[in-house]
Amino acid sequence: SQQGEEDPQALSIQEGENATMNCSYKTSINNLQWYRQNSGRGLVHLILIRSNEREKHSGRLRVTLDTSKKSSSLLITASRAADTASYFCATVNSGGSNYKLTFGKGTLLTVNP
Amino acid sequence: DAMVIQNPRYQVTQFGKPVTLSCSQTLNHNVMYWYQQKSSQAPKLLFHYYDKDFNNEADTPDNFQSRRPNTSFCFLDIRSPGLGDAAMYLCATRSRLGNQPQHFGDGTRLSIL
Repeated sequence: SQQGEEDPQALSIQEGENATMNCSYKTSINNLQWYRQNSGRGLVHLILIRSNEREKHSGRLRVTLDTSKKSSSLLITASRAADTASYFCATVNSGGSNYKLTFGKGTLLTVNP
Repeated sequence: DAMVIQNPRYQVTQFGKPVTLSCSQTLNHNVMYWYQQKSSQAPKLLFHYYDKDFNNEADTPDNFQSRRPNTSFCFLDIRSPGLGDAAMYLCATRSRLGNQPQHFGDGTRLSIL
């Protein structure tokens, strides 16, 4: 079952702008992960943030986690046309299997050249 | 490069004709997953293996079966495909270590005639 909800469902921006996607979840988690999926391809892992962490960076990506609000955000700075993809958050829930992900519904990001 | 490989990328079968999708990995990961993903939706977990230990999701139809003959290979068998089974099927792997991401193949797009 899905517990994550991404917001917005779709986002269209111009190249060079920043893109922010949000994810909310309902249960306690061990970690939260963000994945990217290009059209017709598999998912690619971007960042994993543990429940005791608040912020992580990787290149142009910044992920924050607020466990009190059960929410996370993914910021892509200086976006490029190649960033066009669907972005999913996924949680590993406390008390459940450490090996299962619960996915959100995803945000479709379009970066216009 | 180490990776998760799915064959074929595109598969067409007839209504009711059994079909097998293949996945191999060079990561030597203990855990392997099969997901079903329909258009504009998040991946839906069908089942996963921890080594040879099979874990079926409660809502996975009996029509879907899986085999994992060794660490490297995993197969998805659809015994009698219906039109509703047309989807992208994604294989993924994960290390048994804590707080690790999943690694996805590029999927097999299954069409039913």
